[in-house]
Amino acid sequence: QQQVKQSPQSLIVQKGGISIINCAYENTAFDYFPWYQQFPGKGPALLIAIRPDVSEKKEGRFTISFNKSAKQFSLHIMDSQPGDSATYFCAASNSGYALNFGKGTSLLVTP
Amino acid sequence: DTAVSQTPKYLVTQMGNDKSIKCEQNLGHDTMYWYKQDSKKFLKIMFSYNNKELIINETVPNRFSPKSPDKAHLNLHINSLELGDSAVYFCASSQVQGAGNTEAFFGQGTRLTVV
Repeated sequence: QQQVKQSPQSLIVQKGGISIINCAYENTAFDYFPWYQQFPGKGPALLIAIRPDVSEKKEGRFTISFNKSAKQFSLHIMDSQPGDSATYFCAASNSGYALNFGKGTSLLVTP
Repeated sequence: DTAVSQTPKYLVTQMGNDKSIKCEQNLGHDTMYWYKQDSKKFLKIMFSYNNKELIINETVPNRFSPKSPDKAHLNLHINSLELGDSAVYFCASSQVQGAGNTEAFFGQGTRLTVV
């Protein structure tokens, strides 16, 4: 079954706007929550990651917000740019050896 | 220098054939994976190897057989290919250390088309 649920499936944002993608999980054993960015024809690449002892992590224009009690986490992309247009995947793992991915969000940033 | 490289990038083959995809990582990682990305872009773990030992084998048909000759290589062999096997297959590697995973690096993918 789907262990990580991601929404929305697709998102259109104007240049300069904020893109927000949400994810929810059920398995409380998960202890690592990365976001991956994938461009067409390429493999996913790590964008930013967080562990459950932190509620927020910021790297440049990208911020993860993490709510342990609600079992939810989200990616915020500030000042979105056309070059951010890609598919974004949230994921989770539990110190194991594999990532459980959400279904992905296709982001289009319009000029 | 490519960190995780897989070959071939494209593979078109007929139903019933047997094919292999090769993967090599030069990052010194101890764990390697195969993921499958379907036509809707959903990424799902297939196998995971740690120091050449199989540690995850998701519900994958036994026509798929991974082989790890050493910890820098993880190959995927597929027997009796079916139309439903058409997908993009990604190899990845990471260094799993104690509490929590570190970054997984993905290869460029192999687009398999079964006709």
